[in-house]
This record gives sequence, structure tokens and C-alpha cells, in this order.
Amino acid sequence: GAGVSQSPSNKVTEKGKDVELRCDPISGHTALYWYRQSLGQGLEFLIYFQGNSAPDKSGLPSDRFSAERTGGSVSTLTIQRTQQEDSAVYLCASSPDRGLGYTFGSGTRLTVV
Amino acid sequence: TQLLEQSPQFLSIQEGENLTVYCNSSSVFSSLQWYRQEPGEGPVLLVTVVTGGEVKKLKRLTFQFGDARKDSSLHITAAQPGDTGLYLCAAGRGSARQLTFGSGTQLTVLP
Repeated sequence: GAGVSQSPSNKVTEKGKDVELRCDPISGHTALYWYRQSLGQGLEFLIYFQGNSAPDKSGLPSDRFSAERTGGSVSTLTIQRTQQEDSAVYLCASSPDRGLGYTFGSGTRLTVV
Repeated sequence: TQLLEQSPQFLSIQEGENLTVYCNSSSVFSSLQWYRQEPGEGPVLLVTVVTGGEVKKLKRLTFQFGDARKDSSLHITAAQPGDTGLYLCAAGRGSARQLTFGSGTQLTVLP
């Protein structure tokens, strides 16, 4: 597609439920990143996929968080047993193989009540 | 540990004024980028700088990468209300592709 697409744009869930967030990167971009942003703050790195290499999961805050990328394209970030501190905007970005700049999606605003 | 410090955190100015925001670190970076983010949207890349001392201009915006590649500044001339947004610097280290982001400068330009 023309840009990075994320869905849903907003998600309200009850504490303890599992959620799945989806990211559809720009076609042909080999790198895909997930970041988390708390209100008005900078971005916290979560996980990075590059082609067929093993993902860099060093930013995942706990084992309740996981992500996969199928066929080198669409990615899903899963949060199990959500907690209130998981409330944030989850941003996905992609970049081409030799590019330095990211193209971000509009994010998924997650609210855990 | 916050590797990138941005200042000021908040800035409110009148239309037509000039301003500078700063991004500093004790670490050396291989590249540095500036993004602007509007409410409800993802950050949008403004510029990438990779060479120490490099200066890039984008209309009324001037970006500078420090000689030692540890700091950067963004200068806006004659600010306009459309410049309002959260300005984020982001840095890469070595061969790593993932970026470290600063906490941002929230700029408000009043008409």
C-alpha cells in the first residue's frame, strides 16, 4: 500500500483480556518496527523484524508481549492478560533495506480499563 | 536510561518568532533524524543527518548535527501555527537499525 496501515485505530479492553494489534507495512519494505508511546512522550522500542532474520525482541517489556511477522509482510503484536499500564499508543513503522528513515502508521490507541 | 535528552520539553511562542530545540547525548551516534508528530498521527520524518557538522535546510527549518555526532539542533525561522506539533529526535547506533527516540519537544505556535 501507499503507507503503513494499522488496525484497529482504537481499542478499549478490560484488564486481563488479550489483544491483537495489526500492522501492514509499505510493500517491499524489509524492516518492520513496533514502538510504544505514552501520552505526549517519546517512543519506546519494542521489537524489530528484518527480512528473514530472527527478530530483535530486546524491547519487549514482559513475556505477556509477543509479535510475529508472517511472510515478511503483515505483523501482529499480541498482548496477553492486559494490564492498565499497557495503555498507550502502539506505533508500527517500516523502512526499506537500505533506508535510514522510518515511515510510521497512525498507531493503535490501546486503553485498558 | 534516557540516551537522548531533548530541550525544552515545552515551548509556546507567537507566530513569526524564531526558535531552537536541542537534542543531546553522551553517546556517539551513526545517524540522527528529526520527526514531527501531530495529534492522532504517527511521527513524520523531516530529515536525516549522518556526518558530523552537517547542516541541512528544509524551507524555514535548519538542522545541524554536532561535530562529535553527539548532539543536534533544529532551528525554525518565522514560526507559523502550522509548525505546531511534537518534535522528536531519534538516533541510530552503529549498525543497529532500530532507533532510540528522545522524549520530544511540544511546540505550540500561537497566531
